[in-house]
Amino acid sequence: GAVVSQHPSWVICKSGTSVKIECRSLDFQATTMFWYRQFPKQSLMLMATSNEGSKATYEQGVEKDKFLINHASLTLSTLTVTSAHPEDSSFYICSAPRGGGTEAFFGQGTRLTVV
Amino acid sequence: GENVEQHPSTLSVQEGDSAVIKCTYSDSASNYFPWYKQELGKRPQLIIDIRSNVGEKKDQRIAVTLNKTAKHFSLHITETQPEDSAVYFCAASGSNDMRFGAGTRLTVKP
Repeated sequence: GAVVSQHPSWVICKSGTSVKIECRSLDFQATTMFWYRQFPKQSLMLMATSNEGSKATYEQGVEKDKFLINHASLTLSTLTVTSAHPEDSSFYICSAPRGGGTEAFFGQGTRLTVV
Repeated sequence: GENVEQHPSTLSVQEGDSAVIKCTYSDSASNYFPWYKQELGKRPQLIIDIRSNVGEKKDQRIAVTLNKTAKHFSLHITETQPEDSAVYFCAASGSNDMRFGAGTRLTVKP
C-alpha cells in the first residue's frame, strides 16, 4: 500500500510554544490530507481537511488560528499547533486518500505532550 | 456534515465465536465505507472496505455488509482469535471527508 510518513512521532513542548507536525506522502500525490486528533480511549476526531493549494476546511469547534494547516505541495501537509497548552496534549494523526472515496493511508501519528 | 454512529462501544466474545459491529451514517452522498483496526498507540490499519455499489464483501474471516437504503453497514468477524482483540473503527467517506465512528473495543477471551 501507499506510504504516509509523519514526523515527529512524539514531542514534548512547553506551554506557549508552537509545534509543527509534518505528513509526507512518499509514493503518491496527496491532493487531500485529513488531520485528526485522538484523545485516550476515544475515536479519531476530524479536525480539518486540507487540499493542495487551497485553504483548509476546519470542522466546527476547531480554531483555525490555533491549528495552522499548510498543504503547499502534493506530497507535504503540515499542522502547526500554535501557543500550545496542556489541553492540546493529544495524539495527532494525518491520513491521505489516493483519490476521492478511496482507502486513506495513515501517518504514524504524533503524540504531543504540552507541559 | 456526515455523522457516523457505531455500536457497541465494547464487545467481549469467547474465542471461536463471531463478533458483529454495526454503524450508521447520515450523509447519503457517502460512497466508501472502510473498517480500521487500531492497536494501542499505533496508526489505524485498514482491514476491509466496501463501496456503495456493493452490498457485501468478504475476506477470509472478515465480512462487511452495507444497506445503503437504511444507511447501515456492519462488520462481521467469524472464528474470532485472541489476536483480533483491538479497537475497531468504522468510517464513512464522501468526496472530501472521512469521518469515524466512536470505536468498538473488542476483547476475545481464550
